[in-house]
Amino acid sequence: QVQLQESGPGLVKPSQTLSLTCAVSGDSIVGGRYYWIWVRQPAGKGLEWIGRVESSGTTYSNPSLKSRVTISLDRSKNQFSLTLDSVIAADTAVYYCARTQRWLPIDSWGQGTLVTVSS
Amino acid sequence: SYVLTQPASVSVAPGQTARVTCGGDNIGTKSVHWYQQKPGQAPVLVVYADSDRPSGIPERFSGSNSGNKATLLISRVEAGDEADYFCQVWDTSLDHVVFGGGTKVTVL
Repeated sequence: QVQLQESGPGLVKPSQTLSLTCAVSGDSIVGGRYYWIWVRQPAGKGLEWIGRVESSGTTYSNPSLKSRVTISLDRSKNQFSLTLDSVIAADTAVYYCARTQRWLPIDSWGQGTLVTVSS
Repeated sequence: SYVLTQPASVSVAPGQTARVTCGGDNIGTKSVHWYQQKPGQAPVLVVYADSDRPSGIPERFSGSNSGNKATLLISRVEAGDEADYFCQVWDTSLDHVVFGGGTKVTVL
């Protein structure tokens, strides 16, 4: 059974870069048909898709965040990462990494990690 | 981009049926998935592909999808069903995941 675990700083200063990593166990992030995605959720609000990286390394980001988002694979460590540039208070949220395929449901989620943007 | 609309809240008495809707343009042509999220926890898939249930999900959870509305039904509601519920589809035009705004189900 696949397991995902987010890690990274819980506090980031405004205008700086948020960096998170998702370690994957129980599945290989390369060679399959899965999409490895990031989703975030501000406190008391809904889920927002941030972007994905495919097993091939191809990435796609939410157009509303696209210019600030970078998602990448680390094949040697079987993990994928998210960076979000120039953060503001509105980027404060619980960030989840997860796995899905086109058309299919998100079948595995990390536990989520809270990132607060504050000076 | 594709928009999914959910009511903010639904209240239901124990033992009754909760109905959570998810509206979208011709959503009946898409595959809809539903997630349950309790406070402090990651979402859990309860219905996928409109009406299928993952293993371990009670038969009390069911779904349907037609026209411009998908529906999640929770029959014989229990106190433990109190949670936020999100619908989700794949937006073919922008090729990415889309979520509804979520519905808080309160058990009276």
